[in-house]
Amino acid sequence: QKEVEQDPGPLSVPEGAIVSLNCTYSNSAFQYFMWYRQYSRKGPELLMYTYSSGNKEDGRFTAQVDKSSKYISLFIRDSQPSDSATYLCAMKTSGSRLTFGEGTQLTVNP
Amino acid sequence: GAVVSQHPSWVICKSGTSVKIECRSLDFQATTMFWYRQFPKQSLMLMATSNEGSKATYEQGVEKDKFLINHASLTLSTLTVTSAHPEDSSFYICSARVPGGTNTGELFFGEGSRLTVL
Repeated sequence: QKEVEQDPGPLSVPEGAIVSLNCTYSNSAFQYFMWYRQYSRKGPELLMYTYSSGNKEDGRFTAQVDKSSKYISLFIRDSQPSDSATYLCAMKTSGSRLTFGEGTQLTVNP
Repeated sequence: GAVVSQHPSWVICKSGTSVKIECRSLDFQATTMFWYRQFPKQSLMLMATSNEGSKATYEQGVEKDKFLINHASLTLSTLTVTSAHPEDSSFYICSARVPGGTNTGELFFGEGSRLTVL
């Protein structure tokens, strides 16, 4: 069983839709949770960084962490074609090593 | 955010040759850098952790003699793929940890280097 599970998609939505991306995990020691956006043939770009449970909002992006359910989410409001990319969840314990999900490929259609 | 630069962004080489990829932290000092490998439509797989001034720590299944890592300064780590073969063709990405007071330093990634071995 993988430590981090993420539906690879692909996910296709119309412009302006609310997008929900999710990951589940099995390691209860994970404390730090991140979402990265990766455009084709580029390195991942850090979008959101959350410690422990709770919500964090940054512009159109909201990250949620539910440690009791071992479930994290990223919501994108008013999605734009420029949001089309692969979204990777990642998490770690107090050390530096990241464990990534498979990534969800998102396409926002104009 | 912090800037991590990789060079070259893409390289094509003949089978049997060696290729060096550089990873630089441009606006901060990184005592620890990480090297990942990514195949098409797959996630990032950690290859090794590069520590400044000491030997790299390799993940299980990664050949140390094939993927040579050197972290000679606080801003530069290099990955050398020795005697490259077509199966080594992949997207190699480095990341660096921004030092944080609570050991929660964020990880920023380079743009990646696409290696094609003919």
